[in-house]
Amino acid sequence: GAVVSQHPSRVICKSGTSVKIECRSLDFQATTMFWYRQFPKQSLMLMATSNEGSKATYEQGVEKDKFLINHASLTLSTLTVTSAHPEDSSFYICSAREGGPPLHFGNGTRLTVT
Amino acid sequence: DQQVKQNSPSLSVQEGRISILNCDYTNSMFDYFLWYKKYPAEGPTFLISISSIKDKNEDGRFTVFLNKSAKHLSLHIVPSQPGDSAVYFCAASGIDGSSNTGKLIFGQGTTLQVKP
Repeated sequence: GAVVSQHPSRVICKSGTSVKIECRSLDFQATTMFWYRQFPKQSLMLMATSNEGSKATYEQGVEKDKFLINHASLTLSTLTVTSAHPEDSSFYICSAREGGPPLHFGNGTRLTVT
Repeated sequence: DQQVKQNSPSLSVQEGRISILNCDYTNSMFDYFLWYKKYPAEGPTFLISISSIKDKNEDGRFTVFLNKSAKHLSLHIVPSQPGDSAVYFCAASGIDGSSNTGKLIFGQGTTLQVKP
């Protein structure tokens, strides 16, 4: 089946720094990727839709200047958390689909901001 | 406003018995439903899905039932195995044409524990 690879799996950074998370679709092309966020013991919440070659579409309440998304190619989308704060600490998960449903998810990135 | 709800945060069953996980939704525009399984610190893994034109879909030990009039779906796992212990999320798509884009609305998840 379709495989989505996410890197890094965990990262610790200091407050005020920026962190980049990569999401790659292996063995298939993804014109659209999705970035989700999960707080402890809560549901997965869609943050934004990443579109290859165009601007990302952000969900209501998500700061586009804080969470920069770049979909540089058909197999790579990146999420950059800029000027990270402790409240940005969370589990970030990307997803993509090969043609139709279902969505396939990466293994997620645990971000801890100290 | 939680459009997809899993009202049972946890469920414990004995190995070999049936596990039934429930999910309710509020938006009648949803037309595609999925179940995912998730282990801690990992991404969700797709299990099974169902289109709104069906009321049942079966794949091995997993069966999903959809009751559109009640806006309710359930996942049956039989027989349950200790390796099934994980968090199970139901998800829905279809509003605002999202079934074409892949956007999913997730429930809160149910933690299933299967005891040996």
